[in-house]
Amino acid sequence: SAVISQKPSRDICQRGTSLTIQCQVDSQVTMMFWYRQQPGQSLTLIATANQGSEATYESGFVIDKFPISRPNLTFSTLTVSNMSPEDSSIYLCSVEEAGQGTEAFFGQGTRLTVV
Amino acid sequence: ILNVEQSPQSLHVQEGDSTNFTCSFPSSNFYALHWYRWETAKSPEALFVMTLNGDEKKKGRISATLNTKEGYSYLYIKGSQPEDSATYLCAPYTGTASKLTFGTGTRLQVTL
Repeated sequence: SAVISQKPSRDICQRGTSLTIQCQVDSQVTMMFWYRQQPGQSLTLIATANQGSEATYESGFVIDKFPISRPNLTFSTLTVSNMSPEDSSIYLCSVEEAGQGTEAFFGQGTRLTVV
Repeated sequence: ILNVEQSPQSLHVQEGDSTNFTCSFPSSNFYALHWYRWETAKSPEALFVMTLNGDEKKKGRISATLNTKEGYSYLYIKGSQPEDSATYLCAPYTGTASKLTFGTGTRLQVTL
């Protein structure tokens, strides 16, 4: 299993500003994932963060808007840049210890409201 | 983009009722089907990871079945309790770039 500490748990931000969300894992993991859940929508993958390489972004998400850092095997950050009210969502980081047969572990989530 | 559908979107039951939800997904390139429970202000928590057609798993009062040929899974809760109130998410795993695709979830509310 993996324990993930995610912060902040919630924030209210002004439009045009940026927020950086941090995730710390209690063990070394190869891949970390960043998700977003907008109100009434499904949990949607933003990007996959691998240590030592650039993050891989899903369709509809770009690095300029959601820059990701992965400085080591236990830590990652996601920045939501130049925020607008449409960015109001729950953001989650997760890890999978191995391939498709094992469960994913999630942080507690960051509830972001942009005003 | 993988099309994952969950129904119903929300459900309100009385304590003691039994209930079930459905998850539909494309049957091609199937590797595994995950079920998660997500309580408000908490992390999503894995309930089951199912891989074989006809698989049936159980954890306490919660069980799940899997049909990979027709692309669906059922989640059952027997004798619902207020602590079962949560959003239940399913996510098929196709093995493509090692990522899960989540459905929109079924929000369950259990009242006394």
